[in-house]
Amino acid sequence: DAKTTQPPSMDCAEGRAANLPCNHSTISGNEYVYWYRQIHSQGPQYIIHGLKNNETNEMASLIITEDRKSSTLILPHATLRDTAVYYCIVYGGSQGNLIFGKGTKLSVKP
Amino acid sequence: EPEVTQTPSHQVTQMGQEVILRCVPISNHLYFYWYRQILGQKVEFLVSFYNNEISEKSEIFDDQFSVERPDGSNFTLKIRSTKLEDSAMYFCASRPLYTDTQYFGPGTRLTVL
Repeated sequence: DAKTTQPPSMDCAEGRAANLPCNHSTISGNEYVYWYRQIHSQGPQYIIHGLKNNETNEMASLIITEDRKSSTLILPHATLRDTAVYYCIVYGGSQGNLIFGKGTKLSVKP
Repeated sequence: EPEVTQTPSHQVTQMGQEVILRCVPISNHLYFYWYRQILGQKVEFLVSFYNNEISEKSEIFDDQFSVERPDGSNFTLKIRSTKLEDSAMYFCASRPLYTDTQYFGPGTRLTVL
């Protein structure tokens, strides 16, 4: 089973920041927090990952709490094309597999 | 930017028939994966493959399934005798040696009639 808890759905206004929370209270010290998204039935798209420091790339920012028990994915200026299911996944190990939960369905509205 | 590709995009088959789903991972990647997603359900891990052998497989990956890397570029998933419940999206993923980040292909929609 997935080691994360996410709200099933969220709405966001176009142009505003979307903040997607994730709880992972049982995360181990060597496990990363990964975020993927899935638009319609397309293949999951990698967004960002982090271990304990905050991370930023061209798609998003990832804020991880100091105790690593929760994190927030931030899409700074959401567009309609960001409407998707967002998955927060705790993942570690060199040959491990990704365990997907149900994710958060983000709807960006005009 | 390099991408994982999958063919065909949609495969329709009759129950009991064999199907082969094909994937071309990103060229310098060494770890390969298959996942599936039944309509409306979660993405589920099937199998991982490294150094020409299966690294890990799930309970779903029974004797009806097999994987192969027949040449230096393709990675295939074979289902020997398809069942109605095999209808799903099948996703291939790959990753390089130096990171755990997996990159997914667009998927093959398998419909078993």
